[in-house]
Amino acid sequence: GQQVMQIPQYQHVQEGEDFTTYCNSSTTLSNIQWYKQRPGGHPVFLIQLVKSGEVKKQKRLTFQFGEAKKNSSLHITATQTTDVGTYFCAGRGTRLTGGGNKLTFGTGTQLKVEL
Amino acid sequence: DAGITQSPRHKVTETGTPVTLRCHQTENHRYMYWYRQDPGHGLRLIHYSYGVKDTDKGEVSDGYSVSRSKTEDFLLTLESATSSQTSVYFCAITPTPRESYNEQFFGPGTRLTVL
Repeated sequence: GQQVMQIPQYQHVQEGEDFTTYCNSSTTLSNIQWYKQRPGGHPVFLIQLVKSGEVKKQKRLTFQFGEAKKNSSLHITATQTTDVGTYFCAGRGTRLTGGGNKLTFGTGTQLKVEL
Repeated sequence: DAGITQSPRHKVTETGTPVTLRCHQTENHRYMYWYRQDPGHGLRLIHYSYGVKDTDKGEVSDGYSVSRSKTEDFLLTLESATSSQTSVYFCAITPTPRESYNEQFFGPGTRLTVL
């Protein structure tokens, strides 16, 4: 079945440093989504990427979808303490891979930001 | 958040006892999902539903059953709880399963401990 790997598992940064998490799928995706989960909370949808090579920005967050639609990245510029949490990618398969309305979540990257 | 509630929010039970978790939504969304979240594994799909009495298995369905007799309620049952089912359980909905846009909204979660 479809697998989505995410690295790193943990990242500890000083406030103001940049942060990047990477996501790789074993199969081609029809789209990829990113979620953020604050400590003790539930996952919250951030964004969806659909097109090959797509890049989207939300303030200090930049999301990319690879040309082959099998990988993605989230980059945060100048981290702040409000960025603390776990970031998950989630891929939806294609019709060929039985995508449907199911998502396969990555294992997540836990971000800690120190002052 | 999309009118999703989960009950109970916390439960401690003993090995071998049956447990039922409830997910309730107020907005008549068609697609509902049950996930479990464990450290190092991210979110893993247990079962999902695409309508009343229409359900299907996810990647970790062994030991779990579901029922959906009404649009608003999706029940997850552990027939005979085991310690390996200690986890945080999240319910999610997809509000509008369009062809290429299917973000998920999550409930607050249920923390289940099986002793």
